[in-house]
Amino acid sequence: KNEVEQSPQNLTAQEGEFITINCSYSVGISALHWLQQHPGGGIVSLFMLSSGKKKHGRLIATINIQEKHSSLHITASHPRDSAVYICAVSILTGTASKLTFGTGTRLQVTL
Amino acid sequence: DAMVIQNPRYQVTQFGKPVTLSCSQTLNHNVMYWYQQKSSQAPKLLFHYYDKDFNNEADTPDNFQSRRPNTSFCFLDIRSPGLGDAAMYLCATSRLVGASGAYEQYFGPGTRLTVT
Repeated sequence: KNEVEQSPQNLTAQEGEFITINCSYSVGISALHWLQQHPGGGIVSLFMLSSGKKKHGRLIATINIQEKHSSLHITASHPRDSAVYICAVSILTGTASKLTFGTGTRLQVTL
Repeated sequence: DAMVIQNPRYQVTQFGKPVTLSCSQTLNHNVMYWYQQKSSQAPKLLFHYYDKDFNNEADTPDNFQSRRPNTSFCFLDIRSPGLGDAAMYLCATSRLVGASGAYEQYFGPGTRLTVT
């Protein structure tokens, strides 16, 4: 069993729909990250959370530390949101934090 | 803008021919990471530097080496690339964020390596 599980693995939505991607983890963490990767592209960090909720534009991320669960929401989805969304957790090891990645959720938003 | 820069974006090398990938940062972060990401897989950490202190992952092959001559630059050297080393190589940097000690990682755009 992976330490970080995401669902769904694939998601297709129509433009304007509200989207939720879920992430569960099984280890103690210092923070949880939501990352975005476009096909063939590099990774962009969307959020880093250690508690509560963060909002940036149409994106909202929440985390429940007790339940070891986080969600990424996209409001009013747009085709440019089509990408792979990756949940990753930070585990501090001495002088750096190591990321353990989920398998990603491939989102396709159609017109 | 402050950022993480990787050069080149695309690199083609021959089987067995040494290749060097470059990463630079203007963020003045202490920690730099190199990840390998193969198609449809999650990134895999190869090693990281805290300042000049090098930390190798236990399962990183000896074929992969790294250099960090100063805070801004970090290099990934692949001594004898095999076909299985074709991948996207991602550089990331981090700083300390908050009292919890959580580190936000900033990723570069990646270098896509092809081995022929």
